[in-house]
Amino acid sequence: DTAVSQTPKYLVTQMGNDKSIKCEQNLGHDTMYWYKQDSKKFLKIMFSYNNKELIINETVPNRFSPKSPDKAHLNLHINSLELGDSAVYFCASSQGAKATNEKLFFGSGTQLSVL
Amino acid sequence: DAKTTQPPSMDCAEGRAANLPCNHSTISGNEYVYWYRQIHSQGPQYIIHGLKNNETNEMASLIITEDRKSSTLILPHATLRDTAVYYCIVQIETSGSRLTFGEGTQLTVNP
Repeated sequence: DTAVSQTPKYLVTQMGNDKSIKCEQNLGHDTMYWYKQDSKKFLKIMFSYNNKELIINETVPNRFSPKSPDKAHLNLHINSLELGDSAVYFCASSQGAKATNEKLFFGSGTQLSVL
Repeated sequence: DAKTTQPPSMDCAEGRAANLPCNHSTISGNEYVYWYRQIHSQGPQYIIHGLKNNETNEMASLIITEDRKSSTLILPHATLRDTAVYYCIVQIETSGSRLTFGEGTQLTVNP
């Protein structure tokens, strides 16, 4: 069974559209994350939720809205997509919320292409 | 969080040990050293982490210098499947993991 699964794997869409990426983890972890990897391969954190509560919200446009219906799911909704949103988005989870001694488990990524 | 410096690329022969260096000269006393790797088209994978002492697990060994200003990740018997980008990260304990991935080292294991 896949520990952290995200769908879809590929997403091609037009500028201005609204899209969602879903993430689910079956590890029983309390914390989930969204990371963005740009074309230069830098991986940056966007959001983190601990038990459905937002604990990290980096400088991300308001068009990006995470939603956590329960601690096993963290979805990412993006409004009014722009060309610069094209990237690979990774979902991750960890057992707790403190950074120390936390291993992050990543999903396989969603390649978003905005045309 | 302290900044890390890694060589952009390294090569290693299959079956030999791969030693990946990382400099973190501004590391503070409560920052851990983490290593992750990213195989092409996959999500990053945790390898190992440590604070002061050397660490070993089923994947690798982590050697941290006594002054903690540098560390080395050792893959004892590299295989072709170890070809990946390896990230060295220093992380302070905080509310929520804010792992910041740098450019990493592209390790290529050659047959």
